[in-house]
Amino acid sequence: DAGVIQSPRHEVTEMGQEVTLRCKPISGHNSLFWYRQTMMRGLELLIYFNNNVPIDDSGMPEDRFSAKMPNASFSTLKIQPSEPRDSAVYFCASSLQGQNPNYGYTFGSGTRLTVV
Amino acid sequence: AQSVTQLGSHVSVSEGALVLLRCNYSSSVPPYLFWYVQYPNQGLQLLLKYTTGATLVKGINGFEAEFKKSETSFHLTKPSAHMSDAAEYFCAVREYGNKLVFGAGTILRVKS
Repeated sequence: DAGVIQSPRHEVTEMGQEVTLRCKPISGHNSLFWYRQTMMRGLELLIYFNNNVPIDDSGMPEDRFSAKMPNASFSTLKIQPSEPRDSAVYFCASSLQGQNPNYGYTFGSGTRLTVV
Repeated sequence: AQSVTQLGSHVSVSEGALVLLRCNYSSSVPPYLFWYVQYPNQGLQLLLKYTTGATLVKGINGFEAEFKKSETSFHLTKPSAHMSDAAEYFCAVREYGNKLVFGAGTILRVKS
């Protein structure tokens, strides 16, 4: 298994532009999570999906952020318009949800976003 | 809501010395606890986890952690530090619904 795949690895964009981050979870996993990591705020959960349905988006900072999961093998996180304070590393993780807590998360390598 | 506190944002040890990274949690239900490691420019990798059963759990790379309910702690240890252990370590607790809440992280530095 190739693990959780995120693209792009690095993204540099100008303020005001639209940014789309992509994630392919591990095949068979039914939960997907988007995290943002910054020096100031650490790891923040933005949103998570179970069976392609958004369950908790309380961590999404503003309406400029949106996430979709059109099918079990793909998710996007979009920022429109982007701002310099959105600069961070964005991680996607997937898991097999259920009563058995033995399933941990598998993280992707992250997308480093820089908004100038 | 559950929360995690990691004592010490930076820990420095000499190569060969004991590694001790502290984690305390708050939870109103029996917790599921995890330690993750993050190497520079990489994602988080699961080191070990406690769910039920034996309170001393062993993970990868010689790390282990002990769940102490009375102290609400889940400290991570390794008897002898190696240079390759230098990384950032995150403690996490699983909330109901499969959501993981992470601590702020502890950066481990290993001196030669």
